[in-house]
Amino acid sequence: AQTVTQSQPEMSVQEAETVTLSCTYDTSENNYYLFWYKQPPSRQMILVIRQEAYKQQNATENRFSVNFQKAAKSFSLKISDSQLGDTAMYFCAFMNPPSGNNDMRFGAGTRLTVKP
Amino acid sequence: ETGVTQTPRHLVMGMTNKKSLKCEQHLGHNAMYWYKQSAKKPLELMFVYSLEERVENNSVPSRFSPECPNSSHLFLHLHTLQPEDSALYLCASSQSGGFADTQYFGPGTRLTVL
Repeated sequence: AQTVTQSQPEMSVQEAETVTLSCTYDTSENNYYLFWYKQPPSRQMILVIRQEAYKQQNATENRFSVNFQKAAKSFSLKISDSQLGDTAMYFCAFMNPPSGNNDMRFGAGTRLTVKP
Repeated sequence: ETGVTQTPRHLVMGMTNKKSLKCEQHLGHNAMYWYKQSAKKPLELMFVYSLEERVENNSVPSRFSPECPNSSHLFLHLHTLQPEDSALYLCASSQSGGFADTQYFGPGTRLTVL
């Protein structure tokens, strides 16, 4: 079974600094998709960034970038120039196409607090 | 944040009550999902509907009954729930139900079972 592990239940960072959230996953498949979702307090969960496993280039979205290490099955999220609005729960997720359904597996989440 | 809406936002019910959660998506998507989010646990996929047909049921207890009357609406009917069913229930939708599709989430219904 595919699992997703986020080893940091909570993290904090000073405003304007950089923080990296860790995520590892376990799969025997070669083709899959990885996602980072953000869930602000009392607000909807939104997609931050996604990565296709067949692409070697790390995905970036403005201040958000990933470090995808396929061999190590690692998918960390780097947030640069942290802003107060980045305070949220961050979930790493994995989706494996050959499973024949849309069973996206999530990690338990990392609670990030950006301090002024 | 209005792409996927959920009502009610909060619900408190007794173990003998029957209630329903509603989800509506305004994105023109063809797939919809129910997830359960419990404290300090990963999100758990409960049901997937693609083009109004159920394609996934991850061994969810029968006290949870989904209904998808059309591609824009999804319901979760609840009856005879247990206190451990208290959680945040999230609805999501995606374009076609394909594996590469991004899922868009609603704000959730916070359910408390007394």
